[in-house]
Amino acid sequence: ETGVTQTPRHLVMGMTNKKSLKCEQHLGHNAMYWYKQSAKKPLELMFVYNFKEQTENNSVPSRFSPECPNSSHLFLHLHTLQPEDSALYLCASSQVLGASNEKLFFGSGTQLSVL
Amino acid sequence: DAKTTQPNSMESNEEEPVHLPCNHSTISGTDYIHWYRQLPSQGPEYVIHGLTSNVNNRMASLAIAEDRKSSTLILHRATLRDAAVYYCILSRAGNMLTFGGGTRLMVKP
Repeated sequence: ETGVTQTPRHLVMGMTNKKSLKCEQHLGHNAMYWYKQSAKKPLELMFVYNFKEQTENNSVPSRFSPECPNSSHLFLHLHTLQPEDSALYLCASSQVLGASNEKLFFGSGTQLSVL
Repeated sequence: DAKTTQPNSMESNEEEPVHLPCNHSTISGTDYIHWYRQLPSQGPEYVIHGLTSNVNNRMASLAIAEDRKSSTLILHRATLRDAAVYYCILSRAGNMLTFGGGTRLMVKP
């Protein structure tokens, strides 16, 4: 148990569906992150939030829409996805943003399949 | 960002020590060396980090070369539960952690 909880663990959706991934951290951290891990590829950073404000968007297509209502919760809203968006989506948090000795705490991820 | 180089895969026998190498020849003076591991069907988990001196914790030890151009993660007694992908990452202030391909460690009973 890392203190970062992601739901659902698995999600299958059609290309016309709208769904949301949820992440909650119980660590009192101020920074939260979305990463994408496609099969056989390294983790790719998607979005970063610090104190609820988005600080980084790594050229992510607009069909992925993040939301951070408070420092403990992070959502990733999905709409009109493509089959190549099938991947493991990982949420992480850290106490502070951008410190070189800072640790990241990851959730177990949501395994997404787009049909 | 400074890059790291790790072997794609390594094998170990259960209950034997494992030394996972990492090269980072372009490391700068203030970069921390971090290690994470990712068990099957899980997110990455923090293992250990250091700057210049060797570090020990309950999970592993980190040996850092004197010139800091390489480091070694040491698992003192590998168990089957240590089978995972191990990532060596350089962390620089102001930059986000960038994960590479890591080393897939296989542990044989």
